[in-house]
Amino acid sequence: QKEVEQNSGPLSVPEGAIASLNCTYSDRGSQSFFWYRQYSGKSPELIMSIYSNGDKEDGRFTAQLNKASQYVSLLIRDSQPSDSATYLCAVSGGGFKTIFGAGTRLFVKA
Amino acid sequence: DVKVTQSSRYLVKRTGEKVFLECVQDMDHENMFWYRQDPGLGLRLIYFSYDVKMKEKGDIPEGYSVSREKKERFSLILESASTNQTSMYLCASSPSRRETQYFGPGTRLLVL
Repeated sequence: QKEVEQNSGPLSVPEGAIASLNCTYSDRGSQSFFWYRQYSGKSPELIMSIYSNGDKEDGRFTAQLNKASQYVSLLIRDSQPSDSATYLCAVSGGGFKTIFGAGTRLFVKA
Repeated sequence: DVKVTQSSRYLVKRTGEKVFLECVQDMDHENMFWYRQDPGLGLRLIYFSYDVKMKEKGDIPEGYSVSREKKERFSLILESASTNQTSMYLCASSPSRRETQYFGPGTRLLVL
């Protein structure tokens, strides 16, 4: 069974701090990696996608991928209360399916 | 912008009823998906479709069926609703394999 594991949290950080979210996956053939944000009662929306080892930055968000260690992380710099949400890690192999983690709840304290 | 719409935001049905959930996307995407999301269990794939009239079972297809008669529309059918099918149902579409999935707003279904 291919799995994507995330710490369920909640992860609590003060406003302005860096939030670090981690995810591990079991399928070594995975090729595409995604971070989605989901506000309570809403549907997931894409924040970042990453396909190769290393870092990818987009504004306050940085995704990091290490295929050898089978982990992907998301850093949120200068965290804001509006970043409080559940963050879903998603991993896709060569087929049609994408496996989602159960999500990490992030709470940013003002 | 990609737009994925779902026919209902909230739905209340009785045990044994046949339930239809509709999903429409406007970006000519090849792939469409139905998930259910339950607390602590994350998103679980029910069915997906990679072309018109094509469908594949996901991880939890029991009790569900799907229909894709047109490229833009993907329907989820609960043949005989049961209380354990109370959940949030999310439809998604993507342009190709391994690409980002775009989600609809979700349908919160309560089966009494």
